Amino acid sequence: TQLLEQSPQFLSIQEGENLTVYCNSSSVFSSLQWYRQEPGEGPVLLVTVVTGGEVKKLKRLTFQFGDARKDSSLHITAAQPGDTGLYLCAGVGDSNYQLIWGAGTKLIIKP
Amino acid sequence: ETGVTQTPRHLVMGMTNKKSLKCEQHLGHNAMYWYKQSAKKPLELMFVYSLEERVENNSVPSRFSPECPNSSHLFLHLHTLQPEDSALYLCASSQGTASRTEAFFGQGTRLTVV
Repeated sequence: TQLLEQSPQFLSIQEGENLTVYCNSSSVFSSLQWYRQEPGEGPVLLVTVVTGGEVKKLKRLTFQFGDARKDSSLHITAAQPGDTGLYLCAGVGDSNYQLIWGAGTKLIIKP
Repeated sequence: ETGVTQTPRHLVMGMTNKKSLKCEQHLGHNAMYWYKQSAKKPLELMFVYSLEERVENNSVPSRFSPECPNSSHLFLHLHTLQPEDSALYLCASSQGTASRTEAFFGQGTRLTVV
């Protein structure tokens, strides 16, 4: 069974600080997606990483796919209150229809 | 606005009630999904429809019954639910069912079973 573990489960920091959240597995994934879910909304795709070692940047967000394609990280620089939300990673597993989801990291950025 | 609309946003129902959740997508996608989201747990895929045909049913109890009358509409019929079924139910759509495809989610229905 393929699993994705996200850490930390919860993170509360001050505006302007940097942070990194992780998405780890013992399984290899062909690609991995990161979503952000704001309160009262559904998840929204931020990025898809496909190649081992790939780094993608989205303004202050930097996403990295591990060389072995078993893990990924999301680094936020100078966090802002608008970054508050639940960050979910989802891996492309063996099934064509089913993404393997992590439980998420709940991030709160305090002004 | 993601192009996927779910109604109602909130639903409280007794264990003997029958209710339905509705999802409509305006994106021209040909695949639609129902997910269950519980606190601190990964999203659970319940059903997948591709071109109005159910292609995935992840061992969901029969008290949940999906219906996809056309590629733009998806329903989840609920009857004799249990308190542990209380959760956020998310509908999503995508162009094709290949897992690399971006999923667009609705805002969800917050269901409470009393």
